[in-house]
Amino acid sequence: AQSVAQPEDQVNVAEGNPLTVKCTYSVSGNPYLFWYVQYPNRGLQFLLKYITGDNLVKGSYGFEAEFNKSQTSFHLKKPSALVSDSALYFCAVRDAIKAAGNKLTFGGGTRVLVKP
Amino acid sequence: KAGVTQTPRYLIKTRGQQVTLSCSPISGHRSVSWYQQTPGQGLQFLFEYFSETQRNKGNFPGRFSGRQFSNSRSEMNVSTLELGDSALYLCASSLGLEKRGEQFFGPGTRLTVL
Repeated sequence: AQSVAQPEDQVNVAEGNPLTVKCTYSVSGNPYLFWYVQYPNRGLQFLLKYITGDNLVKGSYGFEAEFNKSQTSFHLKKPSALVSDSALYFCAVRDAIKAAGNKLTFGGGTRVLVKP
Repeated sequence: KAGVTQTPRYLIKTRGQQVTLSCSPISGHRSVSWYQQTPGQGLQFLFEYFSETQRNKGNFPGRFSGRQFSNSRSEMNVSTLELGDSALYLCASSLGLEKRGEQFFGPGTRLTVL
């Protein structure tokens, strides 16, 4: 079975400071990892994914994430946070084995609040 | 290219009724997945359809069902509604069986059961 943990319910950061949202995962096969963001009354918006290759993945809106296989982590980062980054962030994993289909397993979400 | 559309956006039903939600995927996408989002349980996978066939199913009771049409549009149905079915129901589409691809989500249908 696959699972995702986001240990922080909320992250508070001042505008201009670095932002990190933590994520750890568990899958039986190789992981495909994703980050999504959700704004109020909206669906999920794709930010970035790790499939294979370089452990540092760059995505939309200046976000990046680092895949660490030994720590089974995939933390989301942004060097300089904006007030507009305030939203709900979800980490998700898909098992690479064929039987898992396209099912995504999500973490519980982390609310990010960027203060001016 | 238009995104994933879901109708209706909001729905209010009473216990015991049934409801049908609709999802139109991005043009050319053939895989549609459904997720339920609640404050208590978070985002949970309901089922996935590809080429009118259910490929994968989450851990939900049989009251939850779905189908996919030949044009890839999908519907999900919930019968005998319970208060706990109140949630945001999200539909996501992807090109097909390529597991490396991301899913694109619609805005969701917010279902309230009274």
